Amino acid sequence: DTAVSQTPKYLVTQMGNDKSIKCEQNLGHDTMYWYKQDSKKFLKIMFSYNNKELIINETVPNRFSPKSPDKAHLNLHINSLELGDSAVYFCASSPRLLQGNTEAFFGQGTRLTVV
Amino acid sequence: QKEVEQNSGPLSVPEGAIASLNCTYSDRGSQSFFWYRQYSGKSPELIMFIYSNGDKEDGRFTAQLNKASQYVSLLIRDSQPSDSATYLCATSASKIIFGSGTRLSIRP
Repeated sequence: DTAVSQTPKYLVTQMGNDKSIKCEQNLGHDTMYWYKQDSKKFLKIMFSYNNKELIINETVPNRFSPKSPDKAHLNLHINSLELGDSAVYFCASSPRLLQGNTEAFFGQGTRLTVV
Repeated sequence: QKEVEQNSGPLSVPEGAIASLNCTYSDRGSQSFFWYRQYSGKSPELIMFIYSNGDKEDGRFTAQLNKASQYVSLLIRDSQPSDSATYLCATSASKIIFGSGTRLSIRP
């Protein structure tokens, strides 16, 4: 059973469209994250939710809106897609807010290509 | 200044040798330090974590932490071709911050 699963794995769309990426974890973790990894492999945190509540919101355009209907799900909706949004988006979860030695478990990633 | 800095590489090491990967961080409040391995097209996977000064060994991997120098490293002994990947250093205080990764290539 996949611990952290994201859908879709690949997403190709035109500029200006709105798209969503879904993420689910079956590990019983309290905390979930969205990371963006650009072409230079830099993995940057975007959002963090703890028990459905937004904890971390990095400097991300308002076009990106996360939604957590329950603590096992964290979806990412992106409005008015731009070329610069092309990247791999990783969902991750951890047992609790990252402290001490709690590791993050990553989903397989969603490769978003905006054309 | 980036919060977590790594040499992007590529670092080329002959098979059987020791690979040494380095990382510096800027936040003195960082409590834990992680090394993730990421194969091309795959997601990062944790291989080591360390939170006390000194060395921590796990099989062929040794993580070293020096909080005074804000420096963490990863040594891979007896390097294998399967170790070829990008290695991401990460630190955590209130959130986990990743470096940009070092690409390691083990040549047969």
